[in-house]
Amino acid sequence: KQEVTQIPAALSVPEGENLVLNCSFTDSAIYNLQWFRQDPGKGLTSLLLIQSSQREQTSGRLNASLDKSSGRSTLYIAASQPGDSATYLCAVSQGNKLVFGAGTILRVKS
Amino acid sequence: ETGVTQTPRHLVMGMTNKKSLKCEQHLGHNAMYWYKQSAKKPLELMFVYNFKEQTENNSVPSRFSPECPNSSHLFLHLHTLQPEDSALYLCASSLMVDQETQYFGPGTRLLVL
Repeated sequence: KQEVTQIPAALSVPEGENLVLNCSFTDSAIYNLQWFRQDPGKGLTSLLLIQSSQREQTSGRLNASLDKSSGRSTLYIAASQPGDSATYLCAVSQGNKLVFGAGTILRVKS
Repeated sequence: ETGVTQTPRHLVMGMTNKKSLKCEQHLGHNAMYWYKQSAKKPLELMFVYNFKEQTENNSVPSRFSPECPNSSHLFLHLHTLQPEDSALYLCASSLMVDQETQYFGPGTRLLVL
């Protein structure tokens, strides 16, 4: 059974810092890995999707990497801003289902 | 018009009530999903529909009954729920199942008394 773990569970940083969120998964037989953002009481917004054959994806200040063989992904956020404060969720795709981690709660202080 | 809409946004119901959650997507997608997000637990997949056919039931109790009349609409019918069913219920859609990005609605916050 696939299990997804995200570390740290919570993170508080001052504005402007570069930061890394970590995601690990137990079964490397995945189709893709996605990073989502969730604001309090809201739905999820897809940030980046990395196909299993890819190593990384970039969007603006966000960069996500995937090492499928070791079951790890990182989300790098450059020059963090207070507006980046949210919960960040990692999910791996296996067939027609996504398996989610519990998330990292990020707070960027101004 | 946002891509995936859900109604109602908030719902309070008693354990003997019957209610329905509605999801609608305006993205031309063929796959739709129901997820449950409970406090302090990871998001859990409940059901998957592909071209109106249910392709996944993740061991969900029968008090939750999904319905997908067409590729744009998805319902979750609720009856005789328990307080532990209180959660945020999220709907999502994707162009196809499998390798596609899923787009999520804002969710319905459900409280069962």
